Amino acid sequence: AQKITQTQPGMFVQEKEAVTLDCTYDTSDPSYGLFWYKQPSSGEMIFLIYQGSYDQQNATEGRYSLNFQKARKSANLVISASQLGDSAMYFCAMRAPRAGGYNKLIFGAGTRLAVHP
Amino acid sequence: DTGVSQNPRHKITKRGQNVTFRCDPISEHNRLYWYRQTLGQGPEFLTYFQNEAQLEKSRLLSDRFSAERPKGSFSTLEIQRTEQGDSAMYLCASSLAGGSGIGGGYTFGSGTRLTVV
Repeated sequence: AQKITQTQPGMFVQEKEAVTLDCTYDTSDPSYGLFWYKQPSSGEMIFLIYQGSYDQQNATEGRYSLNFQKARKSANLVISASQLGDSAMYFCAMRAPRAGGYNKLIFGAGTRLAVHP
Repeated sequence: DTGVSQNPRHKITKRGQNVTFRCDPISEHNRLYWYRQTLGQGPEFLTYFQNEAQLEKSRLLSDRFSAERPKGSFSTLEIQRTEQGDSAMYLCASSLAGGSGIGGGYTFGSGTRLTVV
């Protein structure tokens, strides 16, 4: 089955520290894409970072980096130097042919991150 | 372009009433998606359009749901005879066909939160 698993319902981090949000995925497709989105209380899904299955290097976007371990089927999001504005829900998502094709995203249940001052 | 716009932001309706939501995608995007997000869960795919053609519908989309995208521009999602189980956030996203680059080109709107009482 094509599936995304986020095992941390909630995480706490002190401001300015780094935090890792876990994501494991299950697919038999050799070609797939992995995404992380941030959803603040306003509801909008904000794209953070993308990793293609054939990308040789881990993706990075500013303070966000993706720790991609293909053999373990994990795609953890690392947020460095946390800020109060990082408090939100974070969703890992996958796009793969057998998960319905490249036209839909399969999402995990999300992790709620709280950044404390 | 101000991104993907969804209206209304919030809708409260009585059980059994019909409701209609609107999504205005990014103007140059030819693909449009609808997702449903229930409390504490990640978004789930409902349907998508390429231009005006509805190319895929999820089994989640019962006969009471209908989506249209006349002229390949804005889209509407109608729910007939609403039930309490329809209470959720309805998210719209748009992209360019073949947008497999960074982030897959998906842009989400802020969603319409439906409460059925």
